Amino acid sequence: KNEVEQSPQNLTAQEGEFITINCSYSVGISALHWLQQHPGGGIVSLFMLSSGKKKHGRLIATINIQEKHSSLHITASHPRDSAVYICAVSLNTGTASKLTFGTGTRLQVTL
Amino acid sequence: NAGVTQTPKFQVLKTGQSMTLQCAQDMNHEYMSWYRQDPGMGLRLIHYSVGAGITDQGEVPNGYNVSRSTTEDFPLRLLSAAPSQTSVYFCASSYSGPIFNYGYTFGSGTRLTVV
Repeated sequence: KNEVEQSPQNLTAQEGEFITINCSYSVGISALHWLQQHPGGGIVSLFMLSSGKKKHGRLIATINIQEKHSSLHITASHPRDSAVYICAVSLNTGTASKLTFGTGTRLQVTL
Repeated sequence: NAGVTQTPKFQVLKTGQSMTLQCAQDMNHEYMSWYRQDPGMGLRLIHYSVGAGITDQGEVPNGYNVSRSTTEDFPLRLLSAAPSQTSVYFCASSYSGPIFNYGYTFGSGTRLTVV
């Protein structure tokens, strides 16, 4: 079983819809990261959070440490949001922070 | 303000050839790491470094070698390329220290095909 599980694996939405992507993890972590990867593109860090909630534009990320669960919400979705969204957790080891990644959620937003 | 620069973006190798993937960052980040991304799998850590002169193995280090002679550069060497090393490779960097949880900056990736 992967240490980081994402759901759904694939998601299709119409423009304007509210989108939720979920991430569950099974180990103790120091932080959780949400990343975005456009087709053929690089990886961009969206959020890093260790508690509560963060908001940036139409994106909202929440985390529940007790339940080992995080959600990424996209409000008023747009075709440019089409990308793979990756959840990753920081596992502290010594003086460096290592990341363990989920397999990603492929989101397609249509007109 | 380049962030993390990876070169080349694309590469085709023949089995048995060697090559070096370059990674450079200009943010004075102590922590640098290499990941590979394969279909249906999450990114996996190959090697990482917490500072110049210090490197360590990640989850999938076999067939790869690294060195860190400067803070800025962290090259990844494929010693004798194999088809199983066909993948997309990402370099990432971050601050590292007593407070571990800094955001990561990723390079744009290198798509490597070994034939």
